Amino acid sequence: RKEVEQDPGPFNVPEGATVAFNCTYSNSASQSFFWYRQDCRKEPKLLMSVYSSGNEDGRFTAQLNRASQYISLLIRDSKLSDSATYLCVVNGNTGGFKTIFGAGTRLFVKA
Amino acid sequence: DAEITQSPRHKITETGRQVTLACHQTWNHNNMFWYRQDLGHGLRLIHYSYGVQDTNKGEVSDGYSVSRSNTEDLPLTLESAASSQTSVYFCASSERGQRETQYFGPGTRLLVL
Repeated sequence: RKEVEQDPGPFNVPEGATVAFNCTYSNSASQSFFWYRQDCRKEPKLLMSVYSSGNEDGRFTAQLNRASQYISLLIRDSKLSDSATYLCVVNGNTGGFKTIFGAGTRLFVKA
Repeated sequence: DAEITQSPRHKITETGRQVTLACHQTWNHNNMFWYRQDLGHGLRLIHYSYGVQDTNKGEVSDGYSVSRSNTEDLPLTLESAASSQTSVYFCASSERGQRETQYFGPGTRLLVL
């Protein structure tokens, strides 16, 4: 089982739709969580951190469920410019460097 | 503006050749990382450094080496390129104590024939 798993998609949604992605992680000792965005043939860029109580940044909402070991990203009112791959990132401070990137979920927003 | 650059952006080489990929950042970040990205695998850590003269192996370090002689640069060397090392390579940096908030370079696409 991979340490961090994401549905690869693609998710095809119309403009204005609400879409949600989940990401599961296997290490219960994981301590910090993030979502990165990667455009086609570009580098990943930090989208937002994920806090235990959940957090919003405009149209984006991130949530953490420690009991079930998953994080989620909700995008409301999807825009064409939201089309990208969304990478889930999980970090556990169990010694050494342990930041794991998921393989990503592809999103296509259509006009 | 501060930035992180990689060179070359594209490289074609032959198996057995030594290849060095450059990474240069002007953020003055202590932490620097090298990843490779392959379809279905996501980003996998090759090597990382927490400061000058510090280097550490990541998840997929076999066949790769790095050195850190100054804060700005972390070159990645493929000792003897193999076809399995065909990939997109990303360099990243972050501030001390902020390992996960990483700033990535534009990537180098390497093809080993």
